[in-house]
Amino acid sequence: AQTVTQSQPEMSVQEAETVTLSCTYDTSESDYYLFWYKQPPSRQMILVIRQEAYKQQNATENRFSVNFQKAAKSFSLKISDSQLGDAAMYFCAYRSVSGGGADGLTFGKGTHLIIQP
Amino acid sequence: GAGVSQSPRYKVAKRGQDVALRCDPISGHVSLFWYQQALGQGPEFLTYFQNEAQLDKSGLPSDRFFAERPEGSVSTLKIQRTQQEDSAVYLCASSDAGGRNQPQHFGDGTRLSIL
Repeated sequence: AQTVTQSQPEMSVQEAETVTLSCTYDTSESDYYLFWYKQPPSRQMILVIRQEAYKQQNATENRFSVNFQKAAKSFSLKISDSQLGDAAMYFCAYRSVSGGGADGLTFGKGTHLIIQP
Repeated sequence: GAGVSQSPRYKVAKRGQDVALRCDPISGHVSLFWYQQALGQGPEFLTYFQNEAQLDKSGLPSDRFFAERPEGSVSTLKIQRTQQEDSAVYLCASSDAGGRNQPQHFGDGTRLSIL
């Protein structure tokens, strides 16, 4: 079974600064998908960014980018120019390509991101 | 816009009662997922439907949990003889066809409290 670990329960950053959230995972599969989701206090989970494991190029979406290190099984999220609206819980998630094991996403425990004005 | 809709938003039940939670996915979405999110934790996968077929129910914690999607659209998660440990937020998500890298679109969840 796959596991996802987020070792930072809480992170704090000044508005307009850059912050990096860590995520590591454990899998025996060679191909899979990785995601970062954001969950504001309103509770609705929103996709931030996704990465296919077979792609070497790191995904970027505007101010959000990832550092995907396949050999190290690491998938960190960098948020540049932090804004107050970025405050939320951030979850790293894994999904198998082949469907072996559970068909859904495997989530980490989350990192609570605080933006200091 | 028409996102994933879940009802009720909050549900309080006494231990031993049966509850039913409803999910209306985005129109046309083939895949539907249910997750359980305990307080302070990440969501945990419960079950997965592709159209009306329940392809994976490996995450259902006991036989008291049952999910259905009879016409391939609306889904209901039923919990029988509820226990205090069932208290959690239940999230529903749907995704389009086109591969397992498709993003899952989540609803606001149902917060279930068992007294």
